[in-house]
Formats: sequence, C-alpha cells, structure tokens
Amino acid sequence: DTGVSQNPRHKITKRGQNVTFRCDPISEHNRLYWYRQTLGQGPEFLTYFQNEAQLEKSRLLSDRFSAERPKGSFSTLEIQRTEQGDSAMYLCASRLADGYGYTFGSGTRLTVV
Amino acid sequence: QQQVKQSPQSLIVQKGGISIINCAYENTAFDYFPWYQQFPGKGPALLIAIRPDVSEKKEGRFTISFNKSAKQFSLHIMDSQPGDSATYFCAASISGLWLTFGKGTLLTVNP
Repeated sequence: DTGVSQNPRHKITKRGQNVTFRCDPISEHNRLYWYRQTLGQGPEFLTYFQNEAQLEKSRLLSDRFSAERPKGSFSTLEIQRTEQGDSAMYLCASRLADGYGYTFGSGTRLTVV
Repeated sequence: QQQVKQSPQSLIVQKGGISIINCAYENTAFDYFPWYQQFPGKGPALLIAIRPDVSEKKEGRFTISFNKSAKQFSLHIMDSQPGDSATYFCAASISGLWLTFGKGTLLTVNP
C-alpha cells in the first residue's frame, strides 16, 4: 500500500451523462477527503468521511454530486447530469483522524464536452 | 470570501537563489499551516507544515516563517534548483478538519 489511488486518471464525458470516480485511500487512514481543483486554482474542499460516515459537505457539493464510503475503505464520487462547469481535477486525500499529514492521490481529470 | 491569500502568483528565480512565497489568513481559528508542492498531472505533496505555537520551522532547504500577530506565514526555499520548479500552495485548517488552500504560486527556477 504505497499511497492514495484514484481511478480513472482521465474521464471525458458528454454533458448530461453521469460519471463515477473511485478513491482507494491508505489502508490505515480513517479519514478520506474529496477536493476539486480547476486550472490555475488551489484545491477546494468538497466533502470528507471518517470511516463510513460523511461528516461534512461543502456548499460546492450540489445536489448532483454524491459521495459514499460504504465500508469505510474505498470511496466513490458520482456526478449526475454533468455540466461543462464540472470539468476539473477531482482529488482524493486521506489521513489518520488523530494526525495532520494528508496524503493526496494523483486525481481524476474530468472533461465534460 | 478567500480565507487564505497567496502571493505572488508566479515567481522566477535563478538556480541557487532564494524563493519566497507569502500567505495571509483571516480566520484566527486556523491552527495548522502546511505547504504543498504540485507537479503537472500530480496531486499535491506535503512539503513542510507548522503549528502556531512556533515561529519558524526548517526542513532541509525549506523553511516556514510564521507571524501569528500579522496572520501571515511564508515559505523560503534556499538554494533553489530547477527540480523545484512546480506550483506551491499554502493551506490552513482548523483542528485538522479540512484544508483551505491558497490559489498557488508557479515557481520557475532557471538553470
């Protein structure tokens, strides 16, 4: 287990389609975070989980977005009815609840055409 | 409302020079201040971090200076190398919840 793994690395989809991304965190990390990063900007917080519980959602996470972490291990982020404004890099990060060291994955780059 | 303001937006430094990136924050509840390095196509990687109970932290060529009263912190990269060319982000968090990032600084180190 060498880091946070995200799949797919790239996704091109047509506007209106649904997409799902997967994140596999570092196995002993009980906190998992999703961020969105647009070109030339810093990552923006979307949501986070402690084990399987979703503890916080940003106002950026519209009703079209849903995230799950069903068994407290991997997580999925689904975007329904994609819009061109959803085009971004979606980053996953994990860490121990009692620590501060976040480890980021390489992200999934979404392009909505 | 941008809670963490980062400057400059871009920076060009000669090899061997000192790179300095500054950040200012607004929320006094922030208690953890990391700096991240990001290469194209990669996720951010933690460089160095500081808590507000210390004014400076050094790890190798990287130093964070922290001024609690001014609500500012900065990253100094000594002896900058071409391999340091990347985008650098400052960030802050409250009690280890989630990170709030600055907009980033694109550093170019010329050989």
